Amino acid sequence: KAGVTQTPRYLIKTRGQQVTLSCSPISGHRSVSWYQQTPGQGLQFLFEYFSETQRNKGNFPGRFSGRQFSNSRSEMNVSTLELGDSALYLCASSVRGGLSSYNEQFFGPGTRLTVL
Amino acid sequence: AQSVTQPDIHITVSEGASLELRCNYSYGATPYLFWYVQSPGQGLQLLLKYFSGDTLVQGIKGFEAEFKRSQSSFNLRKPSVHWSDAAEYFCAVGAQAGTALIFGKGTTLSVSS
Repeated sequence: KAGVTQTPRYLIKTRGQQVTLSCSPISGHRSVSWYQQTPGQGLQFLFEYFSETQRNKGNFPGRFSGRQFSNSRSEMNVSTLELGDSALYLCASSVRGGLSSYNEQFFGPGTRLTVL
Repeated sequence: AQSVTQPDIHITVSEGASLELRCNYSYGATPYLFWYVQSPGQGLQLLLKYFSGDTLVQGIKGFEAEFKRSQSSFNLRKPSVHWSDAAEYFCAVGAQAGTALIFGKGTTLSVSS
């Protein structure tokens, strides 16, 4: 079974631009979560989607948004990029929403975004 | 508010020696606790998790962790470290509702020969 895939793997943008990152979950998984990883702040939860609905949102500005499609693929968008948005963006998928002993989250390799 | 503290930023262990990575959490109720490992250029891989029951949890790659409620700790251990264990290790706590994980800042493990 293929794992979680994220595209692109690397991205370079300039301040003020916008960017869209894509995440394809493991087949059969309906929940996708996004995390931002930076050296200073570590791993921080962005949002979670389940069955095309945002179920949970972290403490990030409105410039960060996402969506999920009917095939469970998810995209996140960052508008008006700032230097501080440079990070590794990870997505994770699970069969269903919520944490449980039988609902493991599987992480993708991440998209490395550099903002110049 | 929930939080996770990993007091050690960087640890170096000799190959074959034992390992203990510390994790302390702050959470009002019984937490869901996790340890993940991240190798360079890779995503996170789940090593083990605690939800309830036996406080000593066995994971993959020979790792184990012990939940100690009185100390609010969930330390990761391995009896004999291999060079391939060099990576960054993250402890995380999850709320009982939702899927969001709160991660510690991570501990980088180096293995010397």
